[in-house]
Amino acid sequence: EVQLVQSGAEVKKPGESLRISCKGSGYSFTSYWISWVRQMPGKGLEWMGRIDPSDSYTNYSPSFQGHVTISADKSISTAYLQWSSLKASDTAMYYCARSDYGDPETFDYWGQGTLVTVSS
Amino acid sequence: SSELTQDPAVSVALGQTVTITCQGDSLRSFYASWYQQKPGQAPLLVIYGKNNRPSGIPDRFSGSSSGNTASLTITGAQAEDEADYYCNSRDSSGNHLVFGGGTKLTVL
Repeated sequence: EVQLVQSGAEVKKPGESLRISCKGSGYSFTSYWISWVRQMPGKGLEWMGRIDPSDSYTNYSPSFQGHVTISADKSISTAYLQWSSLKASDTAMYYCARSDYGDPETFDYWGQGTLVTVSS
Repeated sequence: SSELTQDPAVSVALGQTVTITCQGDSLRSFYASWYQQKPGQAPLLVIYGKNNRPSGIPDRFSGSSSGNTASLTITGAQAEDEADYYCNSRDSSGNHLVFGGGTKLTVL
């Protein structure tokens, strides 16, 4: 069974750093893209960027380039989304999702989401 | 602003047919995928490619595309279809992905 299991909810202060994770199982982790998707409270889905776990090639949305870092450790089938200095506006639900190299826009499996709250 | 445009809200009577649309220049070159999201849940893929349904998705869901518009049709809408629906595809450069703004479907 394919699963993407994300790390738990986080409460942080502005300026703090954070890394959340997404662990894949039940499939070859290095054969699919992993994307990260943001959903701010009451708002729609926003594609942030993706990583090819086989070689850690990344591709970011222009809206998120420079604001977050996506990485992966293929030895433990885990992708990460990282912030160096959080802002209140980073408060959102974050999802990871898998897509095939040949059909990158089709996210066939999603993680359960990680809620990040940034508040002083 | 999104490069894919969806109507914010659509309603349908129980058992009737509803079409949700997604417009964008990139759809002339790339297919859209469609996702259903219910409150408190992760999105669920319902349609991808030309008109493909993942295993477990009822056949009342179908997809089509013409020009710069992709469409999701629910034939015989059920109460459980009430949800937010999002399209996604590549952007006009083809290098990035983008979601539509979402359509809230109400089943009356």
